[in-house]
Amino acid sequence: GAGVSQSPSNKVTEKGKDVELRCDPISGHTALYWYRQSLGQGLEFLIYFQGNSAPDKSGLPSDRFSAERTGGSVSTLTIQRTQQEDSAVYLCASSFGWLTNTEAFFGQGTRLTVV
Amino acid sequence: AQSVTQPDIHITVSEGASLELRCNYSYGATPYLFWYVQSPGQGLQLLLKYFSGDTLVQGIKGFEAEFKRSQSSFNLRKPSVHWSDAAEYFCAVVGNAGKSTFGDGTTLTVKP
Repeated sequence: GAGVSQSPSNKVTEKGKDVELRCDPISGHTALYWYRQSLGQGLEFLIYFQGNSAPDKSGLPSDRFSAERTGGSVSTLTIQRTQQEDSAVYLCASSFGWLTNTEAFFGQGTRLTVV
Repeated sequence: AQSVTQPDIHITVSEGASLELRCNYSYGATPYLFWYVQSPGQGLQLLLKYFSGDTLVQGIKGFEAEFKRSQSSFNLRKPSVHWSDAAEYFCAVVGNAGKSTFGDGTTLTVKP
């Protein structure tokens, strides 16, 4: 597709369940980011993938959070044993990571609600 | 390590007034700097970017930003704000290995 695609757009889950959020980056983009945005808050960095390099996981808030990127393209963010404080919009972005003079393109996000 | 600071969490201006949103960055080399806007219920959209050359860059929607190396700043300005400019604004720097780092954002409210 032409842009970054995220699915689902909305997810309601019960506390304690696992969820998977999907991101399809723009074709050819080697860099992929996951951010979390809680209501009225800024962007909280979660994880960064760049090509075949080891991902930068420094932003993951706990070991319940993990992410994979298969084949250098699609990425899945998994949250295990969800808690109410996990409720937020999860944003994915991609860019031509080897070019620093290029911006990140964002998806519309997945709104996660843990009840 | 690279970082971005947006000192103002929330700014309110009257419609038609001028606007300046502050952004300070920390990066050891020449930075690549960006401003994004997130309108209510919308995704993030690029406003403008600075790579090199002229330190005053023009963006969409009448916005401009000025890169000041001596102050490590990249402040966003608009001469006359419109009600539709109410949104959250994020400054970002791209540095190490092409990684983008965002500030915490500034929420702009426009009074009629």
